[in-house]
Amino acid sequence: AQSVTQPDIHITVSEGASLELRCNYSYGATPYLFWYVQSPGQGLQLLLKYFSGDTLVQGIKGFEAEFKRSQSSFNLRKPSVHWSDAAEYFCAVGAYGNKLVFGAGTILRVKS
Amino acid sequence: GAGVSQTPSNKVTEKGKYVELRCDPISGHTALYWYRQSLGQGPEFLIYFQGTGAADDSGLPNDRFFAVRPEGSVSTLKIQRTERGDSAVYLCASSELAESGTQYFGPGTRLLVL
Repeated sequence: AQSVTQPDIHITVSEGASLELRCNYSYGATPYLFWYVQSPGQGLQLLLKYFSGDTLVQGIKGFEAEFKRSQSSFNLRKPSVHWSDAAEYFCAVGAYGNKLVFGAGTILRVKS
Repeated sequence: GAGVSQTPSNKVTEKGKYVELRCDPISGHTALYWYRQSLGQGPEFLIYFQGTGAADDSGLPNDRFFAVRPEGSVSTLKIQRTERGDSAVYLCASSELAESGTQYFGPGTRLLVL
């Protein structure tokens, strides 16, 4: 069965510092991987996705993620965090055209 | 263009009542998904429609939950005899399978069962 683990429930970083949010998945085949962001009271916004090809994918708002098959990981990174990045981030795994399995989320706090 | 819309945005009901939650997908998207997000958790899959038919309803927790999509566009999630444990945010998503399978989410309906 598919599963996603986001080990960090909360992360606090200073504005301007770099960020890495961890995601590990379990999936029997080549996964489709996603990162979504959710601001308070808002729906989920897609940051980036990996289907195949280049293992380093670029997304919106300056985010990137790297797919590492050997580690079953898809960590999200940003070189310099802005206060507006404070939100909850969800990693998800799925098959083409099929249901997504989400992690429990990581809440990002940005301190000035 | 317009994104996925959901109505109502908030719904408060009493235990034992019936509720309907509506989802309007992105125009032209053939796949539609319902998820439930409880406080402090990630969204959990409920049901997936391809066109008018439910392709996968394995996530519906019990027979009090039912969803329809009669014309292949708008979908309604129906919950009978609501229980306090049904309180959650119900999210709808749609995708255009011909493209990439990426799911685009609506803002959700926050259901509170008193």
